[in-house]
Amino acid sequence: AQRVTQPEKLLSVLKGAPVELKCNYSYSGSPELFWYVQYSRQRLQLLLRHISRESIKGFTADLNKGETSFHLKKPFAQEEDSAMYYCAPAEEVFGPGTRLSVLP
Amino acid sequence: NAGVTQTPKFRILKIGQSMTLQCTQDMNHNYMYWYRQDPGMGLKLIYYSVGAGITDKGEVPNGYNVSRSTTEDFPLRLELAAPSQTSVYFCASSYGGGAGSYEQYFGPGTRLTVT
Repeated sequence: AQRVTQPEKLLSVLKGAPVELKCNYSYSGSPELFWYVQYSRQRLQLLLRHISRESIKGFTADLNKGETSFHLKKPFAQEEDSAMYYCAPAEEVFGPGTRLSVLP
Repeated sequence: NAGVTQTPKFRILKIGQSMTLQCTQDMNHNYMYWYRQDPGMGLKLIYYSVGAGITDKGEVPNGYNVSRSTTEDFPLRLELAAPSQTSVYFCASSYGGGAGSYEQYFGPGTRLTVT
């Protein structure tokens, strides 16, 4: 069974504070692991993928196979980071999303 | 490139009516997907296609049908609309799928209300 949990529906942080959006998954195959983001009035778009080991807009995500987690982190949140974030352990499996609100 | 386009943006249907949600992509992607998103929930896969003439069911296919006669188009058909089909529908496409870690490109969504 494929399941993705993002325990926080809403996460509010102050500008400049660190942020971590949690993602835990159970997936029967080899997870590909993506984070997608949807900014206000924009369409859903890829933020980053595990295979690329990249940092996009200051965000990174570390795979912890033992805990089956793929948390998204940024050391200093900016107001423009306010958006909905979706974890996806596979190309067609999405979590419920976390709304990040970065307060001035 | 327009990317993935969806029409209509909004629609209100009466119970029992039928409609087709249109989806077109101009990126020559092989894979196309239809998702629905209910309030507070993640995207749930309805149907997907790995190429023209090939479609397969996703997690929640009941009440829907699809076809893929061309690479570009992947319409979603609702035959007998029910209130449970009130949702936001997203179409997406990707170059590949399976174990290839391919990015999906999403359309803007169609907000459907069935009353």
